[in-house]
Amino acid sequence: EAAVTQSPRNKVTVTGGNVTLSCRQTNSHNYMYWYRQDTGHGLRLIHYSYGAGNLQIGDVPDGYKATRTTQEDFFLLLELASPSQTSLYFCASSAGTQYFGPGTRLLVL
Amino acid sequence: GQQVQQSPASLVLQEGENAELQCNFSSTATRLQWFYQHPGGRLVSLFYNPSGTKHTGRLTSTTVTNERRSSLHISSSQTTDSGTYFCAIDHNTGANTGKLTFGHGTILRVHP
Repeated sequence: EAAVTQSPRNKVTVTGGNVTLSCRQTNSHNYMYWYRQDTGHGLRLIHYSYGAGNLQIGDVPDGYKATRTTQEDFFLLLELASPSQTSLYFCASSAGTQYFGPGTRLLVL
Repeated sequence: GQQVQQSPASLVLQEGENAELQCNFSSTATRLQWFYQHPGGRLVSLFYNPSGTKHTGRLTSTTVTNERRSSLHISSSQTTDSGTYFCAIDHNTGANTGKLTFGHGTILRVHP
């Protein structure tokens, strides 16, 4: 099975803080994705990428930046975190079927 | 935008009972996946099934593309089946981006 790892697994920050969530996949998949999961909304796509240096906007991109530095690494950046960004964040990679990382729980106070 | 409706929202079973989860979507899907989310949060892919019927173990997925619906059947449920089941579709008919839209999920609780 595809390996997707995320770090940190848990993060607490304050309003206005700067947060970077990291994702690495080791299966040379072209596509990588960042989702957030909130009660009542299921999973919603924030940003995605089809290769190093590429970035595509998802369905809920406001307040988030992302960068794909290599085939393996995809980062989600919250430069001015707000309490509304408290959520469970998932990274996924795909060459067809999507494979998800374990998730990062972010709390913005 | 694309709509993915799942039903029921929640379901409680006694161990050994069968379950049928439904997914309806608002436009033709080029890709449909069923996912299972463990109570601890981990998401795993169950089926990639844009059309037809697929089986794995006690799970069966049936997608009728022209009727815009898919179902997930769980036979002889076990307590370890408890969790949340998501249906997700890729509605892009052009470039194969794998950009999925998720339903809100069905929460399943199986009691011993």
